Amino acid sequence: DAGVIQSPRHEVTEMGQEVTLRCKPISGHDYLFWYRQTMMRGLELLIYFNNNVPIDDSGMPEDRFSAKMPNASFSTLKIQPSEPRDSAVYFCASSEPGGYGYTFGSGTRLTVV
Amino acid sequence: AQKITQTQPGMFVQEKEAVTLDCTYDTSDPSYGLFWYKQPSSGEMIFLIYQGSYDQQNATEGRYSLNFQKARKSANLVISASQLGDSAMYFCAMREGDDYKLSFGAGTTVTVRA
Repeated sequence: DAGVIQSPRHEVTEMGQEVTLRCKPISGHDYLFWYRQTMMRGLELLIYFNNNVPIDDSGMPEDRFSAKMPNASFSTLKIQPSEPRDSAVYFCASSEPGGYGYTFGSGTRLTVV
Repeated sequence: AQKITQTQPGMFVQEKEAVTLDCTYDTSDPSYGLFWYKQPSSGEMIFLIYQGSYDQQNATEGRYSLNFQKARKSANLVISASQLGDSAMYFCAMREGDDYKLSFGAGTTVTVRA
């Protein structure tokens, strides 16, 4: 299994631009999570899906952030417009039914200048 | 309120010695799971070990073991025979009941000295 695949690995964008982060979960995992990691706030959950349905989006910072999961093998996290304070590492993770194993992708390092 | 507390920001350990990383948690749900992850300088999050709240025995995975003290709500990670490759940030995390999200602690940085 290729694991959880995220793209791009690095993204540098200018303030005000739209940014789209992509994630392919492990086949058979029916939970998908988006986390953000910063030095100040650590690892924080943004949103998670079960069977493609958003379950908890209480961690999404504001309306500039949106996430979709159109099918079981693909999810996107979009920031529009981006701001310098959005600079962070964004992780996607997926989990098998039962919640005993969570696998993280390699992360996307986003820099907004 | 913090669900996961890791009080040690950084630790040094001599190669081949054991090190214990502290983790305390806060939940009122009788069903929960505790996880430890390793994040090396390359940035990926690597799953190490899992302990369920109803598990009777402490979890072990190779050189990693979890010292689970339910009454104290603590789930300390023990790394035995430390290796230079163990130098990394270590995170404790918890899942509660039917809520599948993981709540993470602030992490502990471990540096193994030769």
